[in-house]
Amino acid sequence: AQRVTQPEKLLSVFKGAPVELKCNYSYSGSPELFWYVQYSRQRLQLLLRHISRESIKGFTADLNKGETSFHLKKPFAQEEDSAMYYCALKGHNNNDMRFGAGTRLTVKP
Amino acid sequence: GAGVSQTPSNKVTEKGKYVELRCDPISGHTALYWYRQSLGQGPEFLIYFQGTGAADDSGLPNDRFFAVRPEGSVSTLKIQRTERGDSAVYLCASGRASTDTQYFGPGTRLTVL
Repeated sequence: AQRVTQPEKLLSVFKGAPVELKCNYSYSGSPELFWYVQYSRQRLQLLLRHISRESIKGFTADLNKGETSFHLKKPFAQEEDSAMYYCALKGHNNNDMRFGAGTRLTVKP
Repeated sequence: GAGVSQTPSNKVTEKGKYVELRCDPISGHTALYWYRQSLGQGPEFLIYFQGTGAADDSGLPNDRFFAVRPEGSVSTLKIQRTERGDSAVYLCASGRASTDTQYFGPGTRLTVL
């Protein structure tokens, strides 16, 4: 079964501090992992996907198959990073995108 | 260009009534998804269309829920005999293909009284 766990519902850091949003998954095959972000009063949008191996807005995420994790990291958080972040998993051969419950990140000035 | 649009933005109905929620995907996107998001949860997959056909409806919770996409563009999610537990935000997303990025609409907030 596919499952995505985001252990922190809320995360608060100060501007300029490093931030890590945790995501753990369970899936028996080869998953695709994603991070989606929802800023206040905006729609859900893709932040990054593991197959792209890119950095978006200073965020990176590395797929660790041994630990079944896909944590999102940024070395220096900015106030505009405050948003709701969702980790999501899609099986290689299916269309069922499974989302975690989300982590609300607040970056304080 | 225009993004995914959903109408209505809010829908309040009474228990037992029938509702229809509409999704207009980005022009040219063949893949279309419906999700349901309950308070404090992430989006939950309901159904996926590739063109006009429902390629995967494994997420529909029961037979009160049905969705169509007759011309491969606009899709309608239909809920019969609504229950209070159906209250949620219903999200639609579209993509160029099933492997493409999903672009989300603003959602329809459904409240069943």
